[in-house]
Amino acid sequence: DAGVTQSPTHLIKTRGQQVTLRCSPKSGHDTVSWYQQALGQGPQFIFQYYEEEERQRGNFPDRFSGHQFPNYSSELNVNALLLGDSALYLCASSLFGNTIYFGEGSWLTVV
Amino acid sequence: AQSVTQLGSHVSVSEGALVLLRCNYSSSVPPYLFWYVQYPNQGLQLLLKYTTGATLVKGINGFEAEFKKSETSFHLTKPSAHMSDAAEYFCAVSEAGGFKTIFGAGTRLFVKA
Repeated sequence: DAGVTQSPTHLIKTRGQQVTLRCSPKSGHDTVSWYQQALGQGPQFIFQYYEEEERQRGNFPDRFSGHQFPNYSSELNVNALLLGDSALYLCASSLFGNTIYFGEGSWLTVV
Repeated sequence: AQSVTQLGSHVSVSEGALVLLRCNYSSSVPPYLFWYVQYPNQGLQLLLKYTTGATLVKGINGFEAEFKKSETSFHLTKPSAHMSDAAEYFCAVSEAGGFKTIFGAGTRLFVKA
C-alpha cells in the first residue's frame, strides 16, 4: 500500500516564476492538506481540500492556490515566487477526521 | 484558536537516559494531539496520537505521551534513549473532524554516546 507520494522531490525556480507541486494521497484517503515548512521551523498549514473544494485555509496569500482532482490527488500552485517561498512543502492525507499521514515533501528553492 | 508550545528548541540526553520532550497546547475545544518525528531531509512520521479515551498513549519506537487536561500538556517520554532517536520532534494539535493541524516549532533531540 503506497503512502503519500509527492513530486517533484527537489526543484529550483527563479523569483517571479510559478511552480506546481503534486501529491497523491494514501490509498483510501479523501482529504489532502498542504503545509509549508521553512528551515528550522514547524510546518505551517496552507490549505485543505475535501471533495474537490478548499475546506479551510491558513494565513497564506492568494499567490498560493490549489486543486483536488476526482481521484483525490492534489496540486499546489504558487505564483510570483519570492525568495521567502523557499521551503519544504509537505502534503498530508487523511480519511475525514482520522490520522494524518505525510509525504516526504518537495524541496523548493527560489533564487 | 489553537496553539502549541514546545519547551526547549534543543534537548540533549545520554544514550540510555530518559527522554522528556515538553509540549503544552491551547484549544477551545477538546483537542486531538499528536507527536511526529522528522529525520533529516525527510517528511514527518507519526509517533503517537491522542483523540479520546485513555490518557496515556503508547506509540512506536518505545515512546509514550500522557494527556493532562488540567495542565494542558502532552509531554513525550521514552525510558531509555537510543542513538537512532536523534531527530526533530513536533507536537501538534487539531480539532476533531480532521481540520487543520497546528504544529509547534519543534524540539531537536541530541543523543550522546
